[in-house]
Amino acid sequence: EVQLLESGGGLVQPGGSLRLSCAASGFTSASYAMGWVRQAPGKGLEWVSTINKSGGETYYVDSVKGRFAISRDNSKNTLYLQMDSLRAEDTAVYYCAKDCDEGVLTTEFDSWGQGTLVTVSS
Amino acid sequence: QSALTQPPSASGSPGQSVTISCTGTSSDVGGYKFVSWYQQRPGRAPKLMIFEVSKRPSGVPDRFSGSKSGNTASLTVSGLQAEDEADYYCSSYAGNSNLLFGGGTRLTVL
Repeated sequence: EVQLLESGGGLVQPGGSLRLSCAASGFTSASYAMGWVRQAPGKGLEWVSTINKSGGETYYVDSVKGRFAISRDNSKNTLYLQMDSLRAEDTAVYYCAKDCDEGVLTTEFDSWGQGTLVTVSS
Repeated sequence: QSALTQPPSASGSPGQSVTISCTGTSSDVGGYKFVSWYQQRPGRAPKLMIFEVSKRPSGVPDRFSGSKSGNTASLTVSGLQAEDEADYYCSSYAGNSNLLFGGGTRLTVL
């Protein structure tokens, strides 16, 4: 059974940093692209970032470019999101998600974690 | 890039069919096959219901179907059941490995 378990969320002041982690199990994570999707309180889903299976290609929504960095450690089956220069508008539940297709980056996610809440406030 | 356009709400009685639309542009919905639909119940993570416009993952009832015409994708739920009440989001590949979501549609089973 595929499982994705996020951690690292919490309360941070504007301008601060957080690193989210997503531990993957139940599948060969090194064979799949992975991504982060966020949902502000009471709002819809917003794609944040995607990384290909090797970690050599990364993609970001414009609003986080230069502030967030996605990475992965396939030896640890773990996905990361380093978030710097955080703003109030980054407040959201952050979900990690697994791409549908082995080996291909489709941006369609067939498994999701339970999410971790990031609150940016003074 | 702007979010895809979905109606904020939809409703139907048990047993009826409901269709939710998702309108984009030729640079996203109209240009690629990677159009998906997600179901999200309150307090839960999204669940993939449809991928590649019309394919169902294993375990998703065949009451759920997807289609696309031009720049508009659609999700149809046939034989509505109380358990189908949820928020539904469409998404589409938008080039350069970017992804767009729709604003979401709250489906109410009357």
